[in-house]
Amino acid sequence: GAGVSQSPSNKVTEKGKDVELRCDPISGHTALYWYRQSLGQGLEFLIYFQGNSAPDKSGLPSDRFSAERTGGSVSTLTIQRTQQEDSAVYLCASSSVQGSANSPLHFGNGTRLTVT
Amino acid sequence: SQQGEEDPQALSIQEGENATMNCSYKTSINNLQWYRQNSGRGLVHLILIRSNEREKHSGRLRVTLDTSKKSSSLLITASRAADTASYFCATDLYGNKLVFGAGTILRVKS
Repeated sequence: GAGVSQSPSNKVTEKGKDVELRCDPISGHTALYWYRQSLGQGLEFLIYFQGNSAPDKSGLPSDRFSAERTGGSVSTLTIQRTQQEDSAVYLCASSSVQGSANSPLHFGNGTRLTVT
Repeated sequence: SQQGEEDPQALSIQEGENATMNCSYKTSINNLQWYRQNSGRGLVHLILIRSNEREKHSGRLRVTLDTSKKSSSLLITASRAADTASYFCATDLYGNKLVFGAGTILRVKS
C-alpha cells in the first residue's frame, strides 16, 4: 500500500510568513510523529499524536509552532511568522502501534522548508 | 540533550569490507532501533532490538545490545556501494517517542 506522504516536498517562504506542512500517514496507523532535521543533524522530536490527540507536544520549539490531526488521519504542522532558524527538513512518521515507541516508524520523505 | 549518540560520525570503507557503527544512550530503554537515511529521503527502519535481547540479525545486518554498558552496535557485512547512507540509532523515551542520535555517515567506495 501507499507509504507516508508529505506535501509540499519543498517550500520556500519569506521570513514572517506562515506555512502549513501536510502529512498523510499510512492508512490505519494511529500514531503519528513530527520530527525536524537540520542540515547534517539528527532528528529533533516535535510532537506525537495518538489518534487526534497530542499526548506529547514537548518538542515544539515555540508557540509559533502548532499541529493538529483530524479524523485520526491527516496532520498539519503550522509555523507562524517563520524565522530563518526554522529552515530544516520536517519529517512525518506513522506507526500502527498505539501509544508506544516499541514498533518501527514509517517515514515520509519530508518537506524541505527554506525561510529567506 | 540527545538520548542516543552514534560513533563514528563518519566512516569511509571499500566495497566488500565490513562497517561497524556504535550507539550509546543514557537512560533505561525498552527497545533500540536502527534506521538508514539516503540523501534527500526519509528514514527507513532496519532493525528493532528489545532490551531483553542481546543480538539480532537481518540479512547482512547484525545488531548487538549491551544494556549494562548502554550501548549498541550495527555491523554491515560485505558492504556495497548501495549501503552508502546515514545510519541512526533511536531509543524509546518513556515509551511514547523515539529519540534519535546525530547519525553516522557511511560511504562505501566501489
